[in-house]
Amino acid sequence: DAKTTQPPSMDCAEGRAANLPCNHSTISGNEYVYWYRQIHSQGPQYIIHGLKNNETNEMASLIITEDRKSSTLILPHATLRDTAVYYCIVRVPSNTGNQFYFGTGTSLTVIP
Amino acid sequence: KAGVTQTPRYLIKTRGQQVTLSCSPISGHRSVSWYQQTPGQGLQFLFEYFSETQRNKGNFPGRFSGRQFSNSRSEMNVSTLELGDSALYLCASSLGFGTPPYEQYFGPGTRLTVT
Repeated sequence: DAKTTQPPSMDCAEGRAANLPCNHSTISGNEYVYWYRQIHSQGPQYIIHGLKNNETNEMASLIITEDRKSSTLILPHATLRDTAVYYCIVRVPSNTGNQFYFGTGTSLTVIP
Repeated sequence: KAGVTQTPRYLIKTRGQQVTLSCSPISGHRSVSWYQQTPGQGLQFLFEYFSETQRNKGNFPGRFSGRQFSNSRSEMNVSTLELGDSALYLCASSLGFGTPPYEQYFGPGTRLTVT
């Protein structure tokens, strides 16, 4: 699975959009981009995933560049409850398993 | 629909003992994975079970083992506990295995402290 690079930390004002970048320059054509977040001492929470098209759900939007070498997770109106570590993971669906390899992620702090 | 449940939530054991942790996946989910999270190593994959068979395994010693029952519930066991086994143990369930891509849904974890 391709390696990802994320900034270690970011701040965002409450009510503003939080834009979390992820670089995955070595991504291959069949690898998906997943985003999870982990609020302190809780289990990671699935947010969204995509292959090449932009995706949106009730939690967030995922923007993937045309060359697929980077992506951005957008939380449209950040709240204090969005303070968490956000993980960007790329992986290819495989008959060898569903496991995810988590990096160090981005620690997002939403400021009142 | 109920989420992934893990029991117990907190556990204190002494070195040399063994421990069994339990995980009940989301109803209808057939794949269960286990992860270990420590401050130093982050989230690390332990193993995954599907249809009562271990399908893949991370880089952990044989003291770490698991099993899955016919109802998809899973247990993991750690024998001869070491201080370094103190961690948050997370269970995640998926609807299926392999393709198409299946997202994993995590439980709240079991916090194990080894003294």
